[in-house]
Amino acid sequence: DGGITQSPKYLFRKEGQNVTLSCEQNLNHDAMYWYRQDPGQGLRLIYYSQIVNDFQKGDIAEGYSVSREKKESFPLTVTSAQKNPTAFYLCASSPLGQGILSGNTIYFGEGSWLTVV
Amino acid sequence: GENVEQHPSTLSVQEGDSAVIKCTYSDSASNYFPWYKQELGKGPQLIIDIRSNVGEKKDQRIAVTLNKTAKHFSLHITETQPEDSAVYFCAAITYSGAGSYQLTFGKGTKLSVIP
Repeated sequence: DGGITQSPKYLFRKEGQNVTLSCEQNLNHDAMYWYRQDPGQGLRLIYYSQIVNDFQKGDIAEGYSVSREKKESFPLTVTSAQKNPTAFYLCASSPLGQGILSGNTIYFGEGSWLTVV
Repeated sequence: GENVEQHPSTLSVQEGDSAVIKCTYSDSASNYFPWYKQELGKGPQLIIDIRSNVGEKKDQRIAVTLNKTAKHFSLHITETQPEDSAVYFCAAITYSGAGSYQLTFGKGTKLSVIP
């Protein structure tokens, strides 16, 4: 089945540690995104990428880093500089161009819960 | 840039009643409006969408209406069922025609259907 796979589903981080969240898609989408969702809140864009080896900061990029070495993969690293990392993280992908204007729009993974202990 | 306002933030309805969630947008160039449903602990899933050249679209118990002049669009759920309980997000996409686009989400509405 085509889709987006995020792992792990649950992750615990100690203070001062970096952690990496995995996101893989087999939809052949060019664009990939990372969003952060706090309880009862909306989606806030962390980073996005429209092409391999290129990515842009979203609204809340501080304390996060990403890479896009392959079209299928867009891992997110939550660094120790992120002071309040406990949240639900969502990865998404979408086609570029007019494909976005059809039902073939942005697809989300199942999310990863990150908790600082 | 685009700004999407979504109301209400929470909504409780009795099973069988209708639910309406409204969104307004600021950029008249926005031309595609998807709606997403997010169940607890899961990623959002597309449930219905509408393009700017259409005024209304229905899919069984779900409908979306768009008023381009007023720059608002609404999600209508009829005959609500407990499984409709979730968080609903609206979004506006502005396609530039140059292969790129801007995607802006509303802040979400938590719908609770009371049996």
